[in-house]
Amino acid sequence: AQSVTQLDSQVPVFEEAPVELRCNYSSSVSVYLFWYVQYPNQGLQLLLKYLSGSTLVKGINGFEAEFNKSQTSFHLRKPSVHISDTAEYFCAVSALNTGGFKTIFGAGTRLFVKA
Amino acid sequence: EPEVTQTPSHQVTQMGQEVILRCVPISNHLYFYWYRQILGQKVEFLVSFYNNEISEKSEIFDDQFSVERPDGSNFTLKIRSTKLEDSAMYFCASSTTSTYEQYFGPGTRLTVT
Repeated sequence: AQSVTQLDSQVPVFEEAPVELRCNYSSSVSVYLFWYVQYPNQGLQLLLKYLSGSTLVKGINGFEAEFNKSQTSFHLRKPSVHISDTAEYFCAVSALNTGGFKTIFGAGTRLFVKA
Repeated sequence: EPEVTQTPSHQVTQMGQEVILRCVPISNHLYFYWYRQILGQKVEFLVSFYNNEISEKSEIFDDQFSVERPDGSNFTLKIRSTKLEDSAMYFCASSTTSTYEQYFGPGTRLTVT
């Protein structure tokens, strides 16, 4: 079975400051890793994904994440945030289970960007 | 750009009633999923569907729930007898293979009164 832990439920940050949203996972099999963003009253939008290859992946809106297998982490970063980045961010892992593939989401981190 | 669509956007129903939530996945996708998100909580996996059968389901997906692909384009989630705790946002998703990214629909907000 897989699990995902997002270490911060809320992250307040000032505009133009850097931010890191932390995500740790556990799995006994290889996983695929994702970050999704959810703006208020909207659906889920994929920010970026790690399937294989380079451990540093770049996504939309200036976000990037680094896959660290030894630490089982996939932290999301942005060097300079905007007010418009205020949203809920979900880390997710997808892996093959006995009954097929399943994606497990973390509890989410609410990023609040202040002026 | 192709996208997953869901109807209705908001459904209000009385406790005990049956509801059917509809999804149209991206046309060349083969894997289909339903997730739900209770207000203020995380997104929870319900079920995955491939080759006209359920490939994985969670403990939430009990006998009250069923899924169907009635034709070549729609993918439905049926709740037979809704409970108050079924109130949530339900997301449909699809993917080309089960290891690649899932494309999510905008969701259907189900309110059970």
